[in-house]
Amino acid sequence: DIQMTQSPSTLSASVGDRVTITCRASQSINIWLAWYQQKPGKAPKLLIYKASSLESGVPSRFSGSGSGTEFTLTISSLQPEDFATYYCQHYNGDSRTFGQGTKVEVK
Amino acid sequence: EVQLVESGGGLIKPGGSLRLSCAASGFTFSNAWMGWVRQAPGKGLEWVGRIRSKTDGGTTNYAAPVKGRFTISRDDSKNTLFLQMNSLETEDTAVYYCGTDWDGHRGSQGASWGQGTLVTVSS
Repeated sequence: DIQMTQSPSTLSASVGDRVTITCRASQSINIWLAWYQQKPGKAPKLLIYKASSLESGVPSRFSGSGSGTEFTLTISSLQPEDFATYYCQHYNGDSRTFGQGTKVEVK
Repeated sequence: EVQLVESGGGLIKPGGSLRLSCAASGFTFSNAWMGWVRQAPGKGLEWVGRIRSKTDGGTTNYAAPVKGRFTISRDDSKNTLFLQMNSLETEDTAVYYCGTDWDGHRGSQGASWGQGTLVTVSS
């Protein structure tokens, strides 16, 4: 099975900061990677698919990049509503695996 | 508007069975690949499994921890997805979310999710 490793596990940041989260796959997944945002008690929300495609309705301050085994999610200017936990997920082939999550908290 | 509404969660003893349902509306359910993910209390998201549309074979895939115990099925006439869970273990305690899986038109994954239903496995 493909393993997904996110870093960091926790990130302390302030409003207006540029934030970058990394996700590494244990083998190549081409561009088949999604990023989700989850707030406490809520369902995950799709932000990015195909590594870099922005989901409709998601603010343009969110962007994704990468291919193969290394991927990043960037928030260009952190807003108050962006404090949440972020997950990557591969969807290469017949299985899916989530990263362990990155909690973005107030510095 | 896409809506997914899970039901069927509750308290169940270890070794027991439970069936979750997910009622879908706002999109052509019969064409959609669908899936389940879960989240244990205070933990991250874990993929459970998925089912293809019938036109794409209707086949299923499962994560290793649930394979052989859980079964995903669908009733396209009722726009409903199911998760049959047998031989439940305390480690299966989680909120279970249903969601859309692979969208071949966009190349996307997981665009829509329900609000989740809590399954607690405890004696």
